[in-house]
Amino acid sequence: AQSVAQPEDQVNVAEGNPLTVKCTYSVSGNPYLFWYVQYPNRGLQFLLKYITGDNLVKGSYGFEAEFNKSQTSFHLKKPSALVSDSALYFCAVRSGGSYIPTFGRGTSLIVHP
Amino acid sequence: DTAVSQTPKYLVTQMGNDKSIKCEQNLGHDTMYWYKQDSKKFLKIMFSYNNKELIINETVPNRFSPKSPDKAHLNLHINSLELGDSAVYFCASSQDAGQGQPQHFGDGTRLSIL
Repeated sequence: AQSVAQPEDQVNVAEGNPLTVKCTYSVSGNPYLFWYVQYPNRGLQFLLKYITGDNLVKGSYGFEAEFNKSQTSFHLKKPSALVSDSALYFCAVRSGGSYIPTFGRGTSLIVHP
Repeated sequence: DTAVSQTPKYLVTQMGNDKSIKCEQNLGHDTMYWYKQDSKKFLKIMFSYNNKELIINETVPNRFSPKSPDKAHLNLHINSLELGDSAVYFCASSQDAGQGQPQHFGDGTRLSIL
């Protein structure tokens, strides 16, 4: 079985400040972890993934995520938020034996000018 | 060039009608998916095809029938539409089903049942 939790429905941050969107997961075996972003009236866009290797993964638009095996977390981070980062963010996890990922319920990120 | 394209973008119809949504990907991917996103933005997998073969068929009413004429296309036909079918339907593709490749999503079809 695999599951993912995004504990915050909404995250508010001021432009220029660092941002964190949280994700924890549960999976049998090694996880494949993904972050996607969804802008209004658009499909999900892939940001970054962790499969193996360095725990800090860098992705599109200046985002990065840190894989923490002991805490089973994969939080999304960005050092300096932009208003244009405001969107819905989804974390997803897949185990090696599963064909499809399980998505979290999404976190709405609002960056205030 | 649009990587995953869905048509139509909007679909408004009456209860009881039959409708189809088409999806095409030009990425050369082997695996395609259909997702349903409800009004609370929760994403639910419906079907997945790998090289035209059905590999995932979640608990979905049999009024929903996917068809994959080739590995670049995965269409969704819905019979006897119900009010609860109102949602946004997303098509997606990935290079393969078994490895850690990300999914590429279309921009969705917004289905509204009157």
